Amino acid sequence: EVQLVESGGGLVQPGGSLRLSCIASGFSFSQSWMSWVRQSPDKGLECVANLNPDGIAKYYVDSVKGRFTISRDNAKNSVFLQMNSLRSEDTAVYYCVRDPLYHEFDIWGLGAMVTVSS
Amino acid sequence: DVVMTQSPLSLPVTLGQPASISCRSSQDLVHSDGNTYLSWFQQRPGQSPRRLIYTVSNRDSGVPDRFSGSGSGSDFTLKISRVEAEDVGVYYCMQGGAEPPTFGPGTKVDIK
Repeated sequence: EVQLVESGGGLVQPGGSLRLSCIASGFSFSQSWMSWVRQSPDKGLECVANLNPDGIAKYYVDSVKGRFTISRDNAKNSVFLQMNSLRSEDTAVYYCVRDPLYHEFDIWGLGAMVTVSS
Repeated sequence: DVVMTQSPLSLPVTLGQPASISCRSSQDLVHSDGNTYLSWFQQRPGQSPRRLIYTVSNRDSGVPDRFSGSGSGSDFTLKISRVEAEDVGVYYCMQGGAEPPTFGPGTKVDIK
């Protein structure tokens, strides 16, 4: 079965850190671009980061540059999002998404809720 | 960034009747490779988004044929030929050919 399962969400204070993890199964993970897409009531759906199969080419939305880091471990079929210096506006559901050619986002995880609040 | 707009934002529909959602982009979405990377997603209540349509008009596996996508340039449409109860949710268009990828605000479909 093709699936993506996120973990690591939770409640964190402003300025804190969280690390999201996503485990993939049912497809060739090591050959797939992967993205993190977040969804909030204020901003809707937003692609915050993506990463090519070899873990070198990366994209970050301007609002998270310097604070978030996307990485992967192909041996463990996993992709990660390290989130530092979290702000209230980072509060959202974070989805792990397979990102085939030109962001066609064909497989989505169940999502991980991140709440940044004091 | 390419701005995606949708109309209407709310669409009450009668079961068995057709529905149509418009999506417009702030620039032409034709990519240099000749394709147009416009996708449609459905998000049912409490669920993750699910892709229905890619490259304007290609239906994903398992998507009922009552869903169809059309359009070109900067003007696109998602049509549901006969709305069923399971179609309730929010529908998003998204462009992926220009960086960064951007989503529309969503159209909420519910039953009258």
